[in-house]
Amino acid sequence: EVQLVESGGGLVQPGGSLRLSCAASGFTFSDHYMDWVRQAPGKGLEWIGRAKNKANSYTTDYAASVQGRFTISRDDSKNSLYLQMNSLKTEDTAMYYCVKEYDFWSGYYDYWGQGTLVTVSS
Amino acid sequence: DIVMTQSPDSLAVSLGERATINCNSSQSLLYRSNNKNYLAWYQQKPGQPPKLLIYWASARESGVPDRFSGSGSGTDFTLTISSLQAEDVAVYYCQQFLGSPRTTFGGGTKVAIK
Repeated sequence: EVQLVESGGGLVQPGGSLRLSCAASGFTFSDHYMDWVRQAPGKGLEWIGRAKNKANSYTTDYAASVQGRFTISRDDSKNSLYLQMNSLKTEDTAMYYCVKEYDFWSGYYDYWGQGTLVTVSS
Repeated sequence: DIVMTQSPDSLAVSLGERATINCNSSQSLLYRSNNKNYLAWYQQKPGQPPKLLIYWASARESGVPDRFSGSGSGTDFTLTISSLQAEDVAVYYCQQFLGSPRTTFGGGTKVAIK
């Protein structure tokens, strides 16, 4: 059974930092591209970034809204995905989901974690 | 980025009746080399993450009831629930992944029981 379990969310002040983790199991993590998608309270879904697999040099891509502030990394030996968030703004308040891309030819998400809530407030 | 527009924002349908949700993209999602439309649909129930229903515009994910169907091509797509059940109350999102990694989602359509 595929499982994606996020952790690390919480309350942080504007300008602060937070590191989210996603523990994956039930599939060959190292084969797949992994993404982060967020959802502000009562709002829609926003893609924020992706980490490709080793075969594609672990290349990362980011949405313009987080470019330069957020960094995605992965540790295939631990089946884990990470999101380092710096210079946080109130508009970064959201539920953050770790998501698995079906395969590298398809950018749709066949599995989602339950999410971890990040609140940026003074 | 490709802009995805869903309509209506919300709809209320009687149990057993048909629900239809539309999704329009700002550019064609049909990739000519493989003749596939890079469009997916998700269902999100309150307090839960989204769940994949449909991919390639019309392929139903394993385990998804056959009352859910997707159609359309190019820039106009539809998700149909043929006979609404109580458990189908949710928000539905379309997603384009032609622009991957810069995938974008529609604004969502909330489905309720009339």
